[in-house]
Amino acid sequence: DIQMTQSPSTLSASVGDRVTITCRASQSINTWLAWYQQKPGKAPNLLIYKTSSLESGVPSRFSGSGSGTEFTLTISSLQPDDFATYYCQQYNSYQLTFGGGTKVDIK
Amino acid sequence: EVQLLDSGGDLVQPGGSLRLSCAASGFSFHDYGMSWVRQAPGKGLEWVSVIRGSGDVIYYADSVKGRFTISRDNSKNTLYLQMNGLRAEDTAVYYCAKAQLGGYNYGPFDYWGQGTLVTVSS
Repeated sequence: DIQMTQSPSTLSASVGDRVTITCRASQSINTWLAWYQQKPGKAPNLLIYKTSSLESGVPSRFSGSGSGTEFTLTISSLQPDDFATYYCQQYNSYQLTFGGGTKVDIK
Repeated sequence: EVQLLDSGGDLVQPGGSLRLSCAASGFSFHDYGMSWVRQAPGKGLEWVSVIRGSGDVIYYADSVKGRFTISRDNSKNTLYLQMNGLRAEDTAVYYCAKAQLGGYNYGPFDYWGQGTLVTVSS
């Protein structure tokens, strides 16, 4: 199975900060990586797919990059609505594994 | 509008069985792979199983292989998860999720159900 490791697990930031979350795969997944945002009590919401493609309706302050085994999600200017937990997911293999999550909270 | 409605969650004793359902609408259900994803209380997301649109290709996470069975009824636009031999560690909110693209694509997931809670406890 492909293991996905996210860092940090928790991130404290302020409105307006630039935020970067890293996701590492245990083997190459090409660019088959997605990012989700989840708020308490809600289902996850797809933000980015194929490493860097923005899902329809997602603000342009979200961006993704990477390839192979190392990937990043960047929020260019953190907004109040962005305080949430973020997950990466690989879909290179049929075992569609998620990273452990990164909680972004208020500093 | 795409909608996924999860149901069937309940309190069940260890060793028991439960069947979850996910009623889909707003898209050509038979064209898309569907997955179940679970989330234990306070924990992260865990992919459980996927089934291709035609129902002929199925995969499971190692943690549920041999105990859980995914299926679909394309005539009813409904996805199922039969869970047998339930353990305390299966306690979680279970979400159904739709693959973004059809065919042999299984991820990512562009629509999710609201989730249904399964609690395994005596």
